[in-house]
Formats: sequence, C-alpha cells, structure tokens
Amino acid sequence: ETGVTQTPRHLVMGMTNKKSLKCEQHLGHNAMYWYKQSAKKPLELMFVYSLEERVENNSVPSRFSPACPNSSHLFLHLHTLQPEDSALYLCASSQDPDKKNIQYFGAGTRLSVL
Amino acid sequence: GQNIDQPTEMTATEGAIVQINCTYQTSGFNGLFWYQQHAGEAPTFLSYNVLDGLEEKGRFSSFLSRSKGYSYLLLKELQMKDSASYLCAVLDSNYQLIWGAGTKLIIKP
Repeated sequence: ETGVTQTPRHLVMGMTNKKSLKCEQHLGHNAMYWYKQSAKKPLELMFVYSLEERVENNSVPSRFSPACPNSSHLFLHLHTLQPEDSALYLCASSQDPDKKNIQYFGAGTRLSVL
Repeated sequence: GQNIDQPTEMTATEGAIVQINCTYQTSGFNGLFWYQQHAGEAPTFLSYNVLDGLEEKGRFSSFLSRSKGYSYLLLKELQMKDSASYLCAVLDSNYQLIWGAGTKLIIKP
C-alpha cells in the first residue's frame, strides 16, 4: 500500500466514449502527477499539479484533460481517444513538486481503447 | 538528446546475486533514482544516489559514478519475490526526471 489509490484498475472504452480516471492520495502531499506507461517504453510525464495548480503540461493531446479539485484528488478526463492511447496510466504524488522528492505511485489504470 | 539505457530483461537464480546496470546521457545531473515495479502494481522507491559511491540498504545496494554516467543496482540473496521490473531515472539540470524503459528481472528456482 503506497498511500495512492487509483480507480478504476482496468478500463475498456470505445473511441467515442468519455470516461474519467481518478487518483486519491492519503499522504498529505502537495504535488500530484499523471504518467503514461507503455510496454517496454520509459514512463512519460503528462501533467504535474502543485497545490491544485497545473505546473507542467508536456505536450499532451487535448483529448486528455486533467483536473485537480483539491490537493488529495486528481482526475484525468478522457474523450475521443485513439487505440494508441492504450497503456497503463499511473498517478503519483510527492511532498512538493521538487523532483528530488520521492514520488509515491498508485497501481495504475490499465486502459484499452477499442 | 537525453537517454537512459538499461537491459530489457535479465534472468537470475534464487539465492544468487544480480547487478542491473543503468547508463545515462543527460543535460546535467541532480541525482539518480531506482524504483521497483511488480507486475500490475505501483512502482515503489528503492534508492536515490547523488554522490559517487555505493549505498547499501539490506539486500539491495545502489552504486553511482557520475564521471562515467553509470549506475547499478545490486541485489543479493535473491528471492522469488524480487521478480519485478527495475526502473532507473535521472534528474537532469532542469530537475526533469528522465526515465529508462525498465529492466524485467526473472528469478528462477
């Protein structure tokens, strides 16, 4: 148990669907992250939030829309995805956005786009 | 460009020792992380090195040579539960984390 919980663990969606991924951290951290993990590829940082403000957006397509209503919760809203978006989506948190800090990860949502 | 290289897959025997290498070419260096990720689970922090040398934590040790752009993770007295992927990540001069693709370690009885 890392203190970071992601739901759902698995998601299958069609290209026209709209769905959301949820992440909750119980560690009292101020920074939260979304990563994409594809097989045999490095983790790709998508978004960084610090105290509910987006501080990084790494050229992610607009079909991915993050939201951070408070420092404990992070969402990733998905719409009109493509099959190449199928991957494991990981959420992480750290004490603050200083990346020397250890990041604590959730177990991820395995997304399949049909 | 920035690059982290680590072997894709390694196999070792229970009770033995294995060394997982990581070489990096990055714009600057502010530390190197190792994470462990069991299949279907969250990556978990193992170690952070910013100075040259060996840091030991129980059965796991991590080594860094900044002049060579090289690190390794050493796992001793291997157990079946050590079967996992091991991720190397470097913090560059802009404090961006550059990740390797991970090394899948298979432990055989």
